[in-house]
Amino acid sequence: QQQVKQSPQSLIVQKGGISIINCAYENTAFDYFPWYQQFPGKGPALLIAIRPDVSEKKEGRFTISFNKSAKQFSLHIMDSQPGDSATYFCAANSGGSNYKLTFGKGTLLTVNP
Amino acid sequence: DAGITQSPRHKVTETGTPVTLRCHQTENHRYMYWYRQDPGHGLRLIHYSYGVKDTDKGEVSDGYSVSRSKTEDFLLTLESATSSQTSVYFCATVDDRSSYNEQFFGPGTRLTVL
Repeated sequence: QQQVKQSPQSLIVQKGGISIINCAYENTAFDYFPWYQQFPGKGPALLIAIRPDVSEKKEGRFTISFNKSAKQFSLHIMDSQPGDSATYFCAANSGGSNYKLTFGKGTLLTVNP
Repeated sequence: DAGITQSPRHKVTETGTPVTLRCHQTENHRYMYWYRQDPGHGLRLIHYSYGVKDTDKGEVSDGYSVSRSKTEDFLLTLESATSSQTSVYFCATVDDRSSYNEQFFGPGTRLTVL
């Protein structure tokens, strides 16, 4: 049973455009929602994260939008750059779960120059 | 970079042979995790540890065992490797002393079982 559903599987955006990746979750006990960025041949690295007490968090060109009632959250990359080309994973966990993360299946983002 | 190394980085082995992957961390993090990454499946948790000698199963633990005799080392063992265990394996740690509880990932081990 997949607890975090991520879409789309792949995304192609032109340089300067907005990239949007969506995730939906089922477990209402989740209270921490990170996004990870992974470049080929590397391990994932934390990009940005949000807790459900806020509806939006912005760090530079990256924004998480969170809709608690819909159990959905999304990553927006403004002014997308070729260097943003990577695989992005959303994830979720609940604090009482030994910090275990449940990951979405990933989105391969390609930003064309 | 949380000072996580994985060894070996690449390994090719044959079906039925035992394989041990090592994760080493220098940050004294209490929690450690083993994931496998496969196309179309994302990252799936195999086993995790919440302290020395304290381990528990993840969602895809069948065919794998782990051990943690020291804080800095977390070993993943495939007792008898199968082709379905061909994958990229990532180790991760969590610093539960921080408020963010970020998971830090190692560089991965690419395992091929022929």
